Amino acid sequence: QVQLQESGPGLVKPSQTLSLTCTVSGGSISSGDYYWSWIRQPPGKGLEWIGYIYYSGSTYYNPSLKSRVTISVDTSKNQFSLKLSSVTAADTAVYYCAREPIVVVTYNRHRHYYYYGMDVWGQGTTVTVSS
Amino acid sequence: VIWMTQSPSLLSASTGDRVTISCRMSQGISSYLAWYQQKPGKAPELLIYAASTLQSGVPSRFSGSGSGTDFTLTISCLQSEDFATYYCQQYYSFPRTFGGGTKVEIK
Repeated sequence: QVQLQESGPGLVKPSQTLSLTCTVSGGSISSGDYYWSWIRQPPGKGLEWIGYIYYSGSTYYNPSLKSRVTISVDTSKNQFSLKLSSVTAADTAVYYCAREPIVVVTYNRHRHYYYYGMDVWGQGTTVTVSS
Repeated sequence: VIWMTQSPSLLSASTGDRVTISCRMSQGISSYLAWYQQKPGKAPELLIYAASTLQSGVPSRFSGSGSGTDFTLTISCLQSEDFATYYCQQYYSFPRTFGGGTKVEIK
């Protein structure tokens, strides 16, 4: 059974870079069957999708955070990571990693992508931005 | 960006009640919609995908319906363990977006 576990500093100073890692166990990040995503939730608020990475290294970031976000993958360690630069108090949140299953079907030389929601989540890690 | 309006934001109900939560999209998304349940201090859990398909292990009292821009999550007979916050999420396009959440509390 696949499990995801976030890790990283719980306290980051304003203007610095937040760095988190998600370790995947019980399955391979290189299977090609999933997007690996980061989602965050400020205290008492809703969920915000940050971005995803595919095992090949391709990424997509939320335009609202794109200028500050980098997501990378280390297939040898079965991990993917999040870096968020120039943080402020507004970046204080619980950060989750999650996987999103994808199925790619090639038909008439066109690729069709099928998705199924985010089916496995890490437990979340709280990051506070404060001096 | 696809915006999502979820209602109500707070729902007071009793055990055994039938409850309905709505989610409306700013544009059509076919059936590319998921519903999640989140309990305090826990990560969200996938309940339904493709608007109406129950994730494995989810009780049959949960059901989803809708397509295009209007979707509904129904809990047919509310149980004590169902008091939680529920989120809809579209995966028709990037960025993925979530509704604002509906907290189901004990009446």
